[in-house]
Amino acid sequence: KAGVTQTPRYLIKTRGQQVTLSCSPISGHRSVSWYQQTPGQGLQFLFEYFSETQRNKGNFPGRFSGRQFSNSRSEMNVSTLELGDSALYLCASSSPRTGGKTTEAFFGQGTRLTVV
Amino acid sequence: QKEVEQNSGPLSVPEGAIASLNCTYSDRGSQSFFWYRQYSGKSPELIMFIYSNGDKEDGRFTAQLNKASQYVSLLIRDSQPSDSATYLCAVAGGYQKVTFGIGTKLQVIP
Repeated sequence: KAGVTQTPRYLIKTRGQQVTLSCSPISGHRSVSWYQQTPGQGLQFLFEYFSETQRNKGNFPGRFSGRQFSNSRSEMNVSTLELGDSALYLCASSSPRTGGKTTEAFFGQGTRLTVV
Repeated sequence: QKEVEQNSGPLSVPEGAIASLNCTYSDRGSQSFFWYRQYSGKSPELIMFIYSNGDKEDGRFTAQLNKASQYVSLLIRDSQPSDSATYLCAVAGGYQKVTFGIGTKLQVIP
């Protein structure tokens, strides 16, 4: 079974630009979550999508947005990039159980974004 | 106060010893608890999850949960140099909203 695939692996962008990151979950997984990882803040939750609906959102500005397609693939967009957006962006997929209890997540290799 | 607290370490243990990693959380409504391991330059990988109070064992790993004290721990028996990594504690309510701790860096000394 293929794992979670994120593209691209590395990106260099200039301040003010926008960027789109892509995530393909494990086959059959309908939940996709996005995280930002930085040395100082650790892993921070951005948002989670399930069946094309955003169910949860972390404390990030509106410049960070996402969407999920009918095949469960997800994209994350960051507009008007700032230097502080430089980070590793991780996508994780899950197969939620009935009852809503959070289940284990499987992470992709991440996209390393550098804003200059 | 951070929602999930971990000592960032490094925690150094000799090879063959027991490594004890600890985590506290603030949300009493949390239902799901996870330990992930992250090697330098790699993405996190799941070690264990636990939902109920008590101990859960998987090979050399034991997760312990005490909801009354809002405390989760991970014990690694017979620590190996290959266990050297950062261990992330993660806590969640429902619907996949997961909060991670900063992670504890473990160094196993040969």
